[in-house]
Amino acid sequence: EAGVVQSPRYKIIEKKQPVAFWCNPISGHNTLYWYRQNLGQGPELLIRYENEEAVDDSQLPKDRFSAERLKGVDSTLKIQPAELGDSAVYLCASSLVGGTAKNTEAFFGQGTRLTVV
Amino acid sequence: LAKTTQPISMDSYEGQEVNITCSHNNIATNDYITWYQQFPSQGPRFIIQGYKTKVTNEVASLFIPADRKSSTLSLPRVSLSDTAVYYCLVGPPLDTGRRALTFGSGTRLQVQP
Repeated sequence: EAGVVQSPRYKIIEKKQPVAFWCNPISGHNTLYWYRQNLGQGPELLIRYENEEAVDDSQLPKDRFSAERLKGVDSTLKIQPAELGDSAVYLCASSLVGGTAKNTEAFFGQGTRLTVV
Repeated sequence: LAKTTQPISMDSYEGQEVNITCSHNNIATNDYITWYQQFPSQGPRFIIQGYKTKVTNEVASLFIPADRKSSTLSLPRVSLSDTAVYYCLVGPPLDTGRRALTFGSGTRLQVQP
């Protein structure tokens, strides 16, 4: 079974330019997360979706960041305009919440490394 | 949300047992203890989860004392491929409560030949 797929793996852009990241979660997973990981630190949650609804976006810098999850499957995270401080790895994860099985874990993609110059 | 404290880094040699301890003095009654592993250039990967006493799987063991204020991840006979960052997370299961993982800075384990 394919895991969480993210693209691109790497992206280099100039400041003030827009950038978008794409995530395809594990089939059947209803919950999708976007995390940002700065060098030497643990991942920090940006936004969480349950199906197509953003249920926790309190950590998302809404002045420049936006996200969508159309049809409750794939998701896109966008930054416009990018700043130097946005350089980080952006991780997408998915999990199955609810149902009869007790949920134990989230599955992460390999991430997109963004460098803003 | 319970705060966790774990060593910043640890060194070991191949074949040794490695124990990484995490402190979580403010753990709540419905909180579980979960460990994730992260290799360079990859996303974190679930290792093990427990609520109390001892849990063992094919990768690691998790020891949790009765007061649950700390926990120890035990990696038997580590190899070079176990070099990674290990995160201790405390919180309700993903299908309850906050429904998201909260990571600290983790423990960077370096295994030497």
